[in-house]
Amino acid sequence: AQTVTQSQPEMSVQEAETVTLSCTYDTSESDYYLFWYKQPPSRQMILVIRQEAYKQQNATENRFSVNFQKAAKSFSLKISDSQLGDAAMYFCAYRSSYSGGGADGLTFGKGTHLIIQP
Amino acid sequence: EAGVAQSPRYKIIEKRQSVAFWCNPISGHATLYWYQQILGQGPKLLIQFQNNGVVDDSQLPKDRFSAERLKGVDSTLKIQPAKLEDSAVYLCASSPDYYNEQFFGPGTRLTVL
Repeated sequence: AQTVTQSQPEMSVQEAETVTLSCTYDTSESDYYLFWYKQPPSRQMILVIRQEAYKQQNATENRFSVNFQKAAKSFSLKISDSQLGDAAMYFCAYRSSYSGGGADGLTFGKGTHLIIQP
Repeated sequence: EAGVAQSPRYKIIEKRQSVAFWCNPISGHATLYWYQQILGQGPKLLIQFQNNGVVDDSQLPKDRFSAERLKGVDSTLKIQPAKLEDSAVYLCASSPDYYNEQFFGPGTRLTVL
């Protein structure tokens, strides 16, 4: 079974600065997807960015980018120019590429609480 | 486009009582998921439906939890009887099909006293 580990329970950053959230995972599969989700106090989980394991290029979405190191099984999220609206819980998640039968539930880490200091 | 709807948003019950949660996925989405998120943890998949058939229920505690998705649209998750450790947020998500982005609802916060 796959596991996802987020070793930083909480991170704090000054507004407009850059912060990096860490995630490691364990899997025996060679093809899979990795995600970062944001969960604000409203509890609605929002997809921030996704990475396909077969792609060597790191994904980027505006101020959000990832550093995907497949051999090290590491998947960190960098947030540039942090804004007050970025404050939330951030979850790293794993999904198999193909499991047969369509089972594609996400495996989540425990999350990192990101605080933005004004 | 309307998002995933869930009700109720909050529920407080005594242990050994029964409770049911409702989810209405995004229109046209064939795949529906229920996740359990205990305080301080990430969500854990309980069950996945494709239309009205179960794809994965390997982590569903079947002695007390049940779920159905009649007509392949709305879904209901039931707990009977509830235990203290069932206190959690129950998230519903839907997806157009397998291996697509999952869209989450706002969740139902259950407190078992």
